[in-house]
Amino acid sequence: KAGVTQTPRYLIKTRGQQVTLSCSPISGHRSVSWYQQTPGQGLQFLFEYFSETQRNKGNFPGRFSGRQFSNSRSEMNVSTLELGDSALYLCASGAGQGFFSQETQYFGPGTRLLVL
Amino acid sequence: ILNVEQSPQSLHVQEGDSTNFTCSFPSSNFYALHWYRWETAKSPEALFVMTLNGDEKKKGRISATLNTKEGYSYLYIKGSQPEDSATYLCALGDSSYKLIFGSGTRLLVRP
Repeated sequence: KAGVTQTPRYLIKTRGQQVTLSCSPISGHRSVSWYQQTPGQGLQFLFEYFSETQRNKGNFPGRFSGRQFSNSRSEMNVSTLELGDSALYLCASGAGQGFFSQETQYFGPGTRLLVL
Repeated sequence: ILNVEQSPQSLHVQEGDSTNFTCSFPSSNFYALHWYRWETAKSPEALFVMTLNGDEKKKGRISATLNTKEGYSYLYIKGSQPEDSATYLCALGDSSYKLIFGSGTRLLVRP
């Protein structure tokens, strides 16, 4: 099975622009989560989607949004980019067949976003 | 809010040494503890999902234990190899469809 894929891998934007990141989960997986990693910080939870429904959202401003499509692919959008949004954005997929907390999450390679 | 602490922050060992590091958390509402290995420029790789007090997992030279009553998990690597060099992350799974990560232990194994 192919792993989790994320596009693009690298992105440079300027302040005020918006950006859309894409995540394709492992085939058959229905849960997709997004995390942000900034220098010196652990992975911070952004959102989780299951069957096109957002089940949880982390403590991020409304400029961060996401969605999931019927084929389980997910996108996240950041509007009005700020310098502090420069980070590695990781997505993870899970089968979504049991308790989320006890299910292995499979991570993609991430999208590295640089905001100038 | 669950807070996950990992120690040490970084660790340098010689090839062949055995090593261990700690993940600490409040012994309260969570349902699983996850360990990940994250090599530079790669995706975090799942090592273990642990769910019960006293749970022990093993994968080759790597093993982990979980003590939910006292709020810690240990990850052990026996006979470290240079390819074990990575950041090791632990994360708690609570009831809210997210994982709460610690900041990781960075392991460097010198040949």
